[in-house]
This record gives sequence, structure tokens and C-alpha cells, in this order.
Amino acid sequence: QKEVEQDPGPLSVPEGAIVSLNCTYSNSAFQYFMWYRQYSRKGPELLMYTYSSGNKEDGRFTAQVDKSSKYISLFIRDSQPSDSATYLCASHTGGFKTIFGAGTRLFVKA
Amino acid sequence: GAVVSQHPSWVICKSGTSVKIECRSLDFQATTMFWYRQFPKQSLMLMATSNEGSKATYEQGVEKDKFLINHASLTLSTLTVTSAHPEDSSFYICSATTRDSRNTEAFFGQGTRLTVV
Repeated sequence: QKEVEQDPGPLSVPEGAIVSLNCTYSNSAFQYFMWYRQYSRKGPELLMYTYSSGNKEDGRFTAQVDKSSKYISLFIRDSQPSDSATYLCASHTGGFKTIFGAGTRLFVKA
Repeated sequence: GAVVSQHPSWVICKSGTSVKIECRSLDFQATTMFWYRQFPKQSLMLMATSNEGSKATYEQGVEKDKFLINHASLTLSTLTVTSAHPEDSSFYICSATTRDSRNTEAFFGQGTRLTVV
């Protein structure tokens, strides 16, 4: 079993839609949860970073972590074509050894 | 955010030759650097963790004699792919973290695309 599971998609939505991306994890020691966005042939860039359970909002992006169910979510409101990318969830225990999900490819159609 | 620079951004080499990839933290001291490999349409797989001044710790299944990692200073780590073969063609990405315990974010380089012909 992978430590972080993520549906690779692809996920295709119309412009303006609300996008929901999800991951599950198995390591109870994970304390830090991140969402990265990666454009083709580029390194990942950090979108959201959450410590332990709870919600975090930044503009059109909301990250949720539910440690009781080991569930990580990213919501994108008013999605734009420029949001088309691969979104990777990731976790670590605080020692920085980051474990990534497989990444979900998102296409936002104009 | 802090900047991590990788060089080169892409490289093509002949089978059997060695290739060195540099990862630099430009505006902070990176006590720990990580090296990842990403095959097309797959996620990042951690290859090794390197701490400044000590030997790298390799993940299971990663050949330490093939992927040589050196972290000689707080701003530079290098990954050398020795005797490269076409199956080593991949996207290699480094990340770096700081000594500050309050900062738990790892900063990623832009990646190096290696093609072995």
C-alpha cells in the first residue's frame, strides 16, 4: 500500500466549476500536508500547506485535512484554464522527507 | 519564498557517460536536500536525502554507486548519474529545507530533464 494515494485522473471540468481533489494516506505520523501544482516539464510549486487537521483558505484555494479519516482535500473555486496542471498532494512527519501522491491531472476547459 | 536553482535544466548524454546535476539554495542555508526522480505521468519518487557534511541516505532500490550525491556545503548539493543508460532518462528534481525548525516547507528546484541516448 502506498503511503499517499491519489487518483491520477485526468479530471476535466468547465471554466468556473468548483474542483475537488482528494488524497488518502496511511501513515498516522504524518503531521504536515501540502498541495503542489506542477506544470508540464516544470518543478512542483507549493500551493497550500497545512499542519495537522483543519481548513486553510488562500484565495480560490481551500485545503482540508481530516486526520481521523486520513483524508486530504483541495478545492478550487471559479476554476480557470490557467489552473490546468497536475496537482500533487504530499505529506511528511516533520522531518521533511516528503511523500507524494501520484498527482491528478486537471484540465479546465474554456 | 526561498529560491532553489537546478542546473542544467536539461541535458542529453551518450550511454555510458556520467552526468552531474547541481542543486543550489540561493538565499538560504539548506541543511538538508532531497533528490527525486519523476518518470512521465508519474509522481515524484524520493531517491535520497542528503545532509550537509554527511553521507546521503538512499531509498530502497536506489543504487548509491550509480547515483552519487555530494552535499559539500550548505548551499550546494550535486547528483551524479554514473554510467548513464537510456533507462536513467527521467526528470530529476531537488528540494531543500532550512535549519529553522519553524519553517517546515521544502523548496523545489525547477528540475533537470535527462535524456540518455
